[in-house]
Amino acid sequence: ETGVTQTPRHLVMGMTNKKSLKCEQHLGHNAMYWYKQSAKKPLELMFVYSLEERVENNSVPSRFSPECPNSSHLFLHLHTLQPEDSALYLCASSRDWGQGSYEQYFGPGTRLTVT
Amino acid sequence: EDQVTQSPEALRLQEGESSSLNCSYTVSGLRGLFWYRQDPGKGPEFLFTLYSAGEEKEKERLKATLTKKESFLHITAPKPEDSATYLCAVQTDKLIFGTGTRLQVFP
Repeated sequence: ETGVTQTPRHLVMGMTNKKSLKCEQHLGHNAMYWYKQSAKKPLELMFVYSLEERVENNSVPSRFSPECPNSSHLFLHLHTLQPEDSALYLCASSRDWGQGSYEQYFGPGTRLTVT
Repeated sequence: EDQVTQSPEALRLQEGESSSLNCSYTVSGLRGLFWYRQDPGKGPEFLFTLYSAGEEKEKERLKATLTKKESFLHITAPKPEDSATYLCAVQTDKLIFGTGTRLQVFP
């Protein structure tokens, strides 16, 4: 295991539901990330947190709302999603963020289906 | 515009048949290049980081190399358990992923 856990692993939700994805890292890292992975597309970076502060928000619709209460936990709150939001949502962490180059360690992902 | 392209999109190999996967990039300010392995339904697993042209890294049957324009992931005598999608990612002021090469190794 990579030291990054995600729950739930699978989620089916209707367009009017509200749900949350949870990520926890046990690596002592300072940076955490949310990615969206759709078939035949590159990984899309959604949000970056460094030391619990959001440092990147890549034009993500407001129906996705991240939360980072501490450096080990990251949430993605979902509401009024669209069917095109169905994808694998991946959480990752790295030692640091910013200048330099830091490998990221990924969780197993949450397979989200919006009906 | 920064770009990362992986080829081929898919590769089928017989067990023991060595080959190479390509990751070409056009970016400004390369800080590092990463290779990941991703199994179906799982998150990417970190394999290697390369920082400068001429650098090489090895792990079991895998060897990654880097030039100023591309990186190769060489697979020597692959086994069925090497079947996976291999992703490369280039670090500039952001991390840019390629779309991956789906490798299938048949016994």
